[in-house]
Amino acid sequence: AQKITQTQPGMFVQEKEAVTLDCTYDTSDPSYGLFWYKQPSSGEMIFLIYQGSYDQQNATEGRYSLNFQKARKSANLVISASQLGDSAMYFCAMRELTGANSKLTFGKGITLSVRP
Amino acid sequence: DAGVIQSPRHEVTEMGQEVTLRCKPISGHNSLFWYRQTMMRGLELLIYFNNNVPIDDSGMPEDRFSAKMPNASFSTLKIQPSEPRDSAVYFCASTIYGSGWETQYFGPGTRLLVL
Repeated sequence: AQKITQTQPGMFVQEKEAVTLDCTYDTSDPSYGLFWYKQPSSGEMIFLIYQGSYDQQNATEGRYSLNFQKARKSANLVISASQLGDSAMYFCAMRELTGANSKLTFGKGITLSVRP
Repeated sequence: DAGVIQSPRHEVTEMGQEVTLRCKPISGHNSLFWYRQTMMRGLELLIYFNNNVPIDDSGMPEDRFSAKMPNASFSTLKIQPSEPRDSAVYFCASTIYGSGWETQYFGPGTRLLVL
């Protein structure tokens, strides 16, 4: 079974509007971390934000926020006030802490296009 | 501060040749990861090291692939002999083992094309 699921087709958003990118995960580990990375067309992987399973507050980092719904096992990325430079592929990833495992499992990614 | 450094950035080689990819992690980071990204399989972890010791190599495709980390500031991923199906982008990432959630920081990647 997939541990990270990103099923949205290519997403489009108008510049300056907000957009939500979906991510659901599957784990039985009570302690885990969720991460989002951005991959622009140039190819590099850029860390955006993370959320710990025990964090009470949703993580925020500038225009990025993570809508963490633990019971639903979802960790959606919200980008506010979209900019043209936000056009990229976005990956959700999870790290399970049992056994001090440092491995990240990535989803397939979502393509976001910002329209002027 | 310098991020993760990878070389070469692009590599074109012929089937059967040996390919060596190099990575210098962020200074002070003691955990290093090698990933491969393809359209078909997405981003896959190949192997990772903690304090220069290989911890999990279960993602290494086969014996043609090998990775070493002789010291804290250098790692190599070698493919010998290379095959066309090895064509992919290879990323190196590093983090500080034991530092909370251990956010991984990626290098720019090496685009490998095996003809």
